[in-house]
Amino acid sequence: KNEVEQSPQNLTAQEGEFITINCSYSVGISALHWLQQHPGGGIVSLFMLSSGKKKHGRLIATINIQEKHSSLHITASHPRDSAVYICAVRPSGSRLTFGEGTQLTVNP
Amino acid sequence: DAGVTQSPTHLIKTRGQQVTLRCSPKSGHDTVSWYQQALGQGPQFIFQYYEEEERQRGNFPDRFSGHQFPNYSSELNVNALWLGDSALYLCASSLEGFFSDLTDTQYFGPGTRLTVL
Repeated sequence: KNEVEQSPQNLTAQEGEFITINCSYSVGISALHWLQQHPGGGIVSLFMLSSGKKKHGRLIATINIQEKHSSLHITASHPRDSAVYICAVRPSGSRLTFGEGTQLTVNP
Repeated sequence: DAGVTQSPTHLIKTRGQQVTLRCSPKSGHDTVSWYQQALGQGPQFIFQYYEEEERQRGNFPDRFSGHQFPNYSSELNVNALWLGDSALYLCASSLEGFFSDLTDTQYFGPGTRLTVL
């Protein structure tokens, strides 16, 4: 079983829909990252969380440390949001461990 | 301010050959991590370099080796290539290493797509 599990693996939405991607992890962590990877490989860091909630534009990330769960929400989704969204956790004193990613496709 | 750069962008090799991939970290960063990302998978940690030394290593064989130079740039070397090494190789840089609580943000390069035939 992977230390980081994401769901769903694939998600197709219509433009304007509210999107949620989930991440569950099984180890104690000091931080959790949400990353965005566009076709071609480039990875962009969206959020780093250790507690609570962060918001940036139409993106919202939440984390529940007790439940070992995080969610990434996209409001008013747009075709340019189409990408792979990756959850990564950092166990204390250790390296980033990545989930397998969620492929999001937003259709116009 | 240049971000993380990697070269080459794409590379095709045959089985048994050796390859060297290069990474220049974001300006001001001193730590470089390398990841292998197979198609449809999340990145897998290969190793991390800090102060010109390998500080931590993932579950990769000794065929995978690296180096960090005094200017903080880094190389990833893979010997005796086999088909399963075909992947996107990502480099990420950060400041003061992974273990600092002062900064957790890693900046990723665009990656090198390696194809082994």
